[in-house]
Amino acid sequence: GAGVSQSPSNKVTEKGKDVELRCDPISGHTALYWYRQSLGQGLEFLIYFQGNSAPDKSGLPSDRFSAERTGGSVSTLTIQRTQQEDSAVYLCASSLARGYEQYFGPGTRLTVT
Amino acid sequence: GQQVMQIPQYQHVQEGEDFTTYCNSSTTLSNIQWYKQRPGGHPVFLIQLVKSGEVKKQKRLTFQFGEAKKNSSLHITATQTTDVGTYFCAVYLKTSYDKVIFGPGTSLSVIP
Repeated sequence: GAGVSQSPSNKVTEKGKDVELRCDPISGHTALYWYRQSLGQGLEFLIYFQGNSAPDKSGLPSDRFSAERTGGSVSTLTIQRTQQEDSAVYLCASSLARGYEQYFGPGTRLTVT
Repeated sequence: GQQVMQIPQYQHVQEGEDFTTYCNSSTTLSNIQWYKQRPGGHPVFLIQLVKSGEVKKQKRLTFQFGEAKKNSSLHITATQTTDVGTYFCAVYLKTSYDKVIFGPGTSLSVIP
């Protein structure tokens, strides 16, 4: 079956521009996670959705970051006024429910020039 | 705040040697998961541990959850070049099930 997909796979943007990253989870998975991974580093938790609601947004680095999930399915992560330090791979994962194994997408590599 | 540590940060072994990575938490955990990330890839789920003192095996991999549910280990017997990658533990806090914290990872290199 289809796994988690993310788009775009690569995004190069100029500093100060807004970007939108998309995640299509596995069908039927109620939990969805966003992470950020800088080169050679670990996974930084950003936000978690249970259905359409986000019980914990404390991982978002600043108010330039926001995320939403609609219909209990697709999620978008929006970064406004991008900065060079936002450059990283943004990974999305979904799971059947919170606490279950997470299935990761291939990630979006964001480069801010 | 919640701390999750993994040791060692890096490990270089000769093919055929054993390898162990440890994951330690400052607070009691609800459950713990282990993931493997190959170079250039995304994390892939390996195992989940839930019970105190639990031990699970997958071929050459042995996973253990500490009695106090604050630490865990992953042991690989007779490493192969296919074991190369970074191994992450992911912890779910007993006090807050909404946040998952990934450890910093242990990067394994296997010298053929």
